[in-house]
Amino acid sequence: DIQMTQSPSSLSASLGERVSLTCRASQDIGSSLNWLQQEPDGTIKRLIYATSSLDSGVPKRFSGSRSGSDYSLTISSLESEDFVDYYCLQYASSPPTFGGGTKLEIK
Amino acid sequence: QVQLQQSGAELMKPGASVKISCKATGYTFSSYWIEWVKQRPGHGLEWIGEILPGSGSTNYNEKFKGKATFTADTSSNTAYMQLSSLTSEDSAVYYCASEVRHYFDYWGQGTTLTVSS
Repeated sequence: DIQMTQSPSSLSASLGERVSLTCRASQDIGSSLNWLQQEPDGTIKRLIYATSSLDSGVPKRFSGSRSGSDYSLTISSLESEDFVDYYCLQYASSPPTFGGGTKLEIK
Repeated sequence: QVQLQQSGAELMKPGASVKISCKATGYTFSSYWIEWVKQRPGHGLEWIGEILPGSGSTNYNEKFKGKATFTADTSSNTAYMQLSSLTSEDSAVYYCASEVRHYFDYWGQGTTLTVSS
């Protein structure tokens, strides 16, 4: 199975700050990566698909990118509703596998 | 719009079986894979497997073979996951997700399963 190593596991940041979360794939996954957001009530929403495509209705402050085997989710200017959990998901190879998650906390 | 509505929380005894449902609206249910995912604190998110409702084709994560069984009813646009021989390790939140436009695009709200005597 492909391992997705997500970092950091938690991040403390301030409103308006720019942050980046990273997932590193243990094998080549090409562009087959999504970023998910999970609210405290458990609701999961996809933000980014195919590494860098923004889902409809997702604010433009969210963006995705790739550098080699490292995949990043960047939030350009944090807003209060962004302080939740984030996961990456690779679907290049079965079984699909998830990163361990990043908990974004307000400083 | 695409929506996935899951059944409510379940409290089950060890050794029992449970069937969780996922009702889809807003798209052609039979034509797109439904994925099932498990989330446990400390264990992250795990893919259980998938079903294509129109054909009944299924794929399972090796880890969940023998534990999970997927079915689908196209007349009611509902997918089901049965979990058998429940243990405390099965206590988790279970999600269904669709692949209408792309992989894992829409998610159900989750179903909490608690296994306890």
